[in-house]
Amino acid sequence: GESVGLHLPTLSVQEGDNSIINCAYSNSASDYFIWYKQESGKGPQFIIDIRSNMDKRQGQRVTVLLNKTVKHLSLQIAATQPGDSAVYFCAETRGGYQKVTFGIGTKLQVIP
Amino acid sequence: SQTIHQWPATLVQPVGSPLSLECTVEGTSNPNLYWYRQAAGRGLQLLFYSVGIGQISSEVPQNLSASRPQDRQFILSSKKLLLSDSGFYLCAWSGPKTQYFGPGTRLLVL
Repeated sequence: GESVGLHLPTLSVQEGDNSIINCAYSNSASDYFIWYKQESGKGPQFIIDIRSNMDKRQGQRVTVLLNKTVKHLSLQIAATQPGDSAVYFCAETRGGYQKVTFGIGTKLQVIP
Repeated sequence: SQTIHQWPATLVQPVGSPLSLECTVEGTSNPNLYWYRQAAGRGLQLLFYSVGIGQISSEVPQNLSASRPQDRQFILSSKKLLLSDSGFYLCAWSGPKTQYFGPGTRLLVL
């Protein structure tokens, strides 16, 4: 069945370094992808999104890359800060926002 | 601006007791609403979604139920809680880009 998963359950990076969080999806019909950040004890927060007709989108310190050929999505965080420590989820939808399928998540730990 | 509220924030309940979690949304009308459960260290599991008052779709079989008595109110209920119902319950609504989540309710069933 369709699934969205993450390659690394935990990622530790030094403060100031760049972080790359990866995600694989299996449904080629997915047309919209989202990254969420979830801090401990809180609900997930939208970070950045990308449509399937794009391969790159940049935000403030974050970049999402989409490779439809290998069904791979990544989130790059530049100059990682302690406040970036959280669990990051990728998610996908097909045909709208009605149903969103989430991956398990990657825990990002920033080492001061 | 739109806001989403959940309460209570935390809840400890004995096995077999009833449950009622409430979610309300402000600043929007006729939103699609969702209930998710997140087990510790795990991803999000969609439980229910609603496209309008009285319209509930269930995604997984379980002893939980949902109701939408008002446009911006979504309630998650159970008549008898199980140990496996413990988790972090998140309500969400569909916004202009994606789904936006409430602060969550942490439920511990003992």
